[in-house]
Amino acid sequence: SAVISQKPSRDICQRGTSLTIQCQVDSQVTMMFWYRQQPGQSLTLIATANQGSEATYESGFVIDKFPISRPNLTFSTLTVSNMSPEDSSIYLCSVEDDRYEQYFGPGTRLTVT
Amino acid sequence: AQSVTQLDSQVPVFEEAPVELRCNYSSSVSVYLFWYVQYPNQGLQLLLKYLSGSTLVKGINGFEAEFNKSQTSFHLRKPSVHISDTAEYFCAVGPLWRGSQGNLIFGKGTKLSVKP
Repeated sequence: SAVISQKPSRDICQRGTSLTIQCQVDSQVTMMFWYRQQPGQSLTLIATANQGSEATYESGFVIDKFPISRPNLTFSTLTVSNMSPEDSSIYLCSVEDDRYEQYFGPGTRLTVT
Repeated sequence: AQSVTQLDSQVPVFEEAPVELRCNYSSSVSVYLFWYVQYPNQGLQLLLKYLSGSTLVKGINGFEAEFNKSQTSFHLRKPSVHISDTAEYFCAVGPLWRGSQGNLIFGKGTKLSVKP
C-alpha cells in the first residue's frame, strides 16, 4: 500500500485567487490522479499525471484552470486558478499500484468565498 | 465507456443487523470492480476489489461483495454492522485494459447510517 499526504488539508480562499495543492507519496509511483468531490457528490476525475509527460485532462477540465505538475515519481501539485465559488470542493489525489489498487490522500477541502 | 449506479443514496440500519449496499454497472469492456469507504472528513479507503477468479470477494472490516456478471452487479454485504461502519460507501469500476487511461468511474455513493 501507499501512504499519501496532501497539503493544505483545508483552505478558505477569495474568488479570483489561485491555490496550489500538494500531494506527496511515500513510494515511487508511475500514475497519479487528481479527483474532485463536490458537496454531496461522487468523485470526478480531473486529470491523470504521469511523471515526465503532460497531464491528461478529462472532458470538462482544462489545463489553464487546473495546471498540474509532476516533477518526480513521489510528488505532484494541482493548482486551482482564478477560483469561483463553484470550485468549492474536496480535491483528492490518488496513486495506482501494479495490482490496480488506487490509494487516496485525505483530501483538501477548499471553500471559495 | 463505463457507468456505475448505486441504487440507494441512504441506508439506515440498526446495529448488529445485516446490510446490503447495491451497485450495478454497465460497460462495453471487461472491468475491475471496487468498493471504497469514506469516513467523515477523511479520504477514501479500499474495502475490497474484484479482478478475476472467485466471484465472492472478502474485504476488510467483515465486508464482502459478490460479482454477478449476468446481472452486472457487485453488491456489498455485511452480516452484522457496527456503529463504526457509519460512513459513505462508493462503488467504482475501471476498465480491464488500462492502457494510458486507467481511471475509475465512481458511483454517487451510499450513506450507511448505523443506529444503536
